[in-house]
Amino acid sequence: AQTIHQWPVAEIKAVGSPLSLGCTIKGKSSPNLYWYWQATGGTLQQLFYSITVGQVESVVQLNLSASRPKDDQFILSTEKLLLSHSGFYLCAWSPGDWGGAEQYFGPGTRLTVL
Amino acid sequence: GEQVEQLPSILRVQEGSSASINCSYEDSASNYFPWYKQEPGENPKLIIDIRSNMERKQIQELIVLLDKKAKRFSLHITDTQPGDSAMYFCAASVSGGADRLTFGKGTQLIIQP
Repeated sequence: AQTIHQWPVAEIKAVGSPLSLGCTIKGKSSPNLYWYWQATGGTLQQLFYSITVGQVESVVQLNLSASRPKDDQFILSTEKLLLSHSGFYLCAWSPGDWGGAEQYFGPGTRLTVL
Repeated sequence: GEQVEQLPSILRVQEGSSASINCSYEDSASNYFPWYKQEPGENPKLIIDIRSNMERKQIQELIVLLDKKAKRFSLHITDTQPGDSAMYFCAASVSGGADRLTFGKGTQLIIQP
């Protein structure tokens, strides 16, 4: 069975500080990977997606960047946090095959920027 | 890009009755429509989905209907229970390769005793 982990569980950071969030999936080779952001009480906004190692596509520009250094790892980062970056960051995966559209979310990282 | 409208934003129903959430989309190329349930502080969980080659799908008390001509789809929960209280999100995407899911704004479902 596939398992998806995100780290850290929660972060409190200062405006202007750097950030790195991680996501790892086990039990599935070559998955599609996604980053989402959810404001408190808000909807889910897809930020990035990746269908293979080293390849990341941006969906929405929020002064964030993403990288996929390994098949099972997806990293979200920024050098300078803004207050507007606060929220719930979710990593998701899908099978990566044509017709395998189901996306499954990780447990998420709750970020508070002060 | 795709736009998904979801209504109502808040839905209160009596325990044991049915609840219905409606979504509409704009891109006629969208062919995959999942529904997610999110409880407070938790991640969204996929509860049911439907593809464009179907008009109706049922999993236990969950029924999804899809009207491609009208570009509308809906979730119906029959015989609601307290555990059904949660935020529900609909989404739409053009399936294949990487899936660009666009979500609705969510419906807060409250089951009243």
